[in-house]
Amino acid sequence: QKEVEQNSGPLSVPEGAIASLNCTYSDRVSQSFFWYRQYSGKSPELIMSIYSNGDKEDGRFTAQLNKASQYVSLLIRDSQPSDSATYLCAVTTLADYKLSFGAGTTVTVRA
Amino acid sequence: NAGVTQTPKFQVLKTGQSMTLQCAQDMNHNSMYWYRQDPGMGLRLIYYSASEGTTDKGEVPNGYNVSRLNKREFSLRLESAAPSQTSVYFCASSDPGTGGAQYFGPGTRLTVT
Repeated sequence: QKEVEQNSGPLSVPEGAIASLNCTYSDRVSQSFFWYRQYSGKSPELIMSIYSNGDKEDGRFTAQLNKASQYVSLLIRDSQPSDSATYLCAVTTLADYKLSFGAGTTVTVRA
Repeated sequence: NAGVTQTPKFQVLKTGQSMTLQCAQDMNHNSMYWYRQDPGMGLRLIYYSASEGTTDKGEVPNGYNVSRLNKREFSLRLESAAPSQTSVYFCASSDPGTGGAQYFGPGTRLTVT
């Protein structure tokens, strides 16, 4: 059983601040890493994918991957109230077509 | 493209009733999945189909059956619903071309009384 652990939250940040979300995984052969955003009552929506060590930026979102430390993070810069949601970390080895999900971190951005 | 669609959006069943949740994707993806999401439990995989013609059990398959009708459609059946199956059900699809990323449908909110 692959394990994916996320910081438990909830995380409350003021508008305009940086929200930092962390995720660790147990399976060393994991190859692909994803962040999903889930608004209350809605389905998970893919917002970031990262496959190699380092940083990947997309707008206000930056994903960071460190395979040696088995760690992936998501930074949300200039946080907006619309970023208030639960963020799910997911990893896969690609060998069995399955994703392992963390329990999620709920972020609230205070206006 | 509609992406992944699910029907129905909401359903209320009595204990012992049966029903089928429908899922279809128009992205030509090979793999499809059924999850349930309960408060505090995260997303749990019920069944998946790596490709047309194959299905496999996930983490919580008991009480469910699936059918991969064709490449587009993957249905989930509850033969005799139980209150423990009250949950939100999500269908997802993926393909090697997506790098392992899965794309989710809008979900079905099921209540069993």
